[in-house]
Amino acid sequence: AQSVTQLDSHVSVSEGTPVLLRCNYSSSYSPSLFWYVQHPNKGLQLLLKYTSAATLVKGINGFEAEFKKSETSFHLTKPSAHMSDAAEYFCVVTQGGSSYKLIFGSGTRLLVRP
Amino acid sequence: KAGVTQTPRYLIKTRGQQVTLSCSPISGHRSVSWYQQTPGQGLQFLFEYFSETQRNKGNFPGRFSGRQFSNSRSEMNVSTLELGDSALYLCASSSAGTGVVGELFFGEGSRLTVL
Repeated sequence: AQSVTQLDSHVSVSEGTPVLLRCNYSSSYSPSLFWYVQHPNKGLQLLLKYTSAATLVKGINGFEAEFKKSETSFHLTKPSAHMSDAAEYFCVVTQGGSSYKLIFGSGTRLLVRP
Repeated sequence: KAGVTQTPRYLIKTRGQQVTLSCSPISGHRSVSWYQQTPGQGLQFLFEYFSETQRNKGNFPGRFSGRQFSNSRSEMNVSTLELGDSALYLCASSSAGTGVVGELFFGEGSRLTVL
């Protein structure tokens, strides 16, 4: 069975400093992995996705994530945080093939201090 | 291109009532999924429809049901509402066909409060 663990429920950074949001996954199959962001009172937006191509994936708004099979990790990073990055971030895993069931992590709330 | 539209955005019901939520996917998208988001349980998959057929179902009681119409619009229904059904219900659409995992586009959700 697939599962995903987000290691931090809250992360606080200062504007202009790097962001690291950690995610570990468990999957019996070659996983497809995603990061989604949810701003307050909004739906979710896809930041980036990994589907067995390049292990370093670049997304929108300067975010990127690296798929590390040996560590079963898919951490999200950004070199320099912006105030507008404050939101909740979800690491998501799904099985390839015909399954559309997304399994969400519990979320990491990112706070950006001025 | 218009995004995923969910109606109503907010609603209040009492225990025992039923509710119907509507979702209009992005034009051309044939897959519609529904998720429940609560502070305690997080985001949980309810079901997914493709071309009017339910392809996947999450672990929810039979009080939760859905359907998809020929124009890909979808509705979900919750009968005999319980306090624990209070949640944000999110709809997502995808252009991906059978066997392809695609990007999901989410609506802003319908926030249901059960009193």
